[in-house]
Amino acid sequence: NAGVTQTPKFQVLKTGQSMTLQCAQDMNHEYMSWYRQDPGMGLRLIHYSVGAGITDQGEVPNGYNVSRSTTEDFPLRLLSAAPSQTSVYFCASSYTGWVSNTEAFFGQGTRLTVV
Amino acid sequence: GQQVMQIPQYQHVQEGEDFTTYCNSSTTLSNIQWYKQRPGGHPVFLIQLVKSGEVKKQKRLTFQFGEAKKNSSLHITATQTTDVGTYFCAGSGGSNYKLTFGKGTLLTVNP
Repeated sequence: NAGVTQTPKFQVLKTGQSMTLQCAQDMNHEYMSWYRQDPGMGLRLIHYSVGAGITDQGEVPNGYNVSRSTTEDFPLRLLSAAPSQTSVYFCASSYTGWVSNTEAFFGQGTRLTVV
Repeated sequence: GQQVMQIPQYQHVQEGEDFTTYCNSSTTLSNIQWYKQRPGGHPVFLIQLVKSGEVKKQKRLTFQFGEAKKNSSLHITATQTTDVGTYFCAGSGGSNYKLTFGKGTLLTVNP
């Protein structure tokens, strides 16, 4: 049972480069989301999706794009990397219950450094 | 937008002491969840509270959801070194299922 798989685990980018962080889940969860974690800042929501074809912005969406073409995959694209995007990125998924989410499952994280 | 505030940011205790972290939301929540993140790891779900005034226990951990569904707490009795980590609360409200996390409380335990 793979759960939520994130790739890569580590990445170093140069300023201005673009890249895609991959996230896949095999639990048939409708809800998927991306967070970034910085020291003292907790987990800040970047983008989220409540199903294939539906995405919405979180609290820190600038500089990031997402798409949800399938239930399983929710890639995060960095358009033009900046040092301020150095962070640990987590993908999470959960089942959307009748009125609220159930338990969120997190991937192992991607440690991104932009130089 | 919805904001979830968590205090304290850090807590250092001697092994055997109790520990409490508090969570407050700017809006009424439909549910609140608690997660634990070990150093270098990813957040792991602990529990979800849904009902007003709900109290749940997991061994030495006690979770409470306020009557107004805007605040919550996690209490650990007689901490152990295995309790070390960051504890996050996360709330969702409304119909968009967006889950907002607090900044977390880092717990360290001196053996």
